[in-house]
Amino acid sequence: KQEVTQIPAALSVPEGENLVLNCSFTDSAIYNLQWFRQDPGKGLTSLLLIQSSQREQTSGRLNASLDKSSGRSTLYIAASQPGDSATYLCAVNPDNYGQNFVFGPGTRLSVLP
Amino acid sequence: KAGVTQTPRYLIKTRGQQVTLSCSPISGHRSVSWYQQTPGQGLQFLFEYFSETQRNKGNFPGRFSGRQFSNSRSEMNVSTLELGDSALYLCASSFETGKAKNIQYFGAGTRLSVL
Repeated sequence: KQEVTQIPAALSVPEGENLVLNCSFTDSAIYNLQWFRQDPGKGLTSLLLIQSSQREQTSGRLNASLDKSSGRSTLYIAASQPGDSATYLCAVNPDNYGQNFVFGPGTRLSVLP
Repeated sequence: KAGVTQTPRYLIKTRGQQVTLSCSPISGHRSVSWYQQTPGQGLQFLFEYFSETQRNKGNFPGRFSGRQFSNSRSEMNVSTLELGDSALYLCASSFETGKAKNIQYFGAGTRLSVL
């Protein structure tokens, strides 16, 4: 059974810092991995999607890497801003047949002005 | 382009009742997935529908069911509600082809409270 963990559970940093969020999964047989952010009381917003054949994806100040063989992904946020404060979740899709993502518990990020 | 719409946003029910939640996906999306989010268990996959057929199913009891209509709108139903069913229920839709394939677009959710 696929299990996804995220470290740290919570993180508080001053504005402007670069930071790394970690995601681990137990079964390396995944089809893709997706990073989301969730603001309090709201739905999820997709940030980056990495296919199993890819090593990384970039969008603006965000960069996500994937090492499928070791079961790890990292989300790098450059020059953090207070607006980045949210919970970040990673999720893995185990196969090509549909969308049944397994989610990690999330990392709660606070960026202090 | 309108996003994923979930109705209602909030619901209060009592134990033993049943409830139906609705999800309208983004136009052109044919895959609709449902998730339950609780503080203790996090986000858990309930089921996915594609072209009116259940394509994947999570590990939830039979009290949780769903369906999808020909216009891709989806409903989920929970019968004989229990206190533990209190949660935020999220719906997500996605494309099946093209650059945006597999990117999940989530609605704001329906918060269900069971008293």
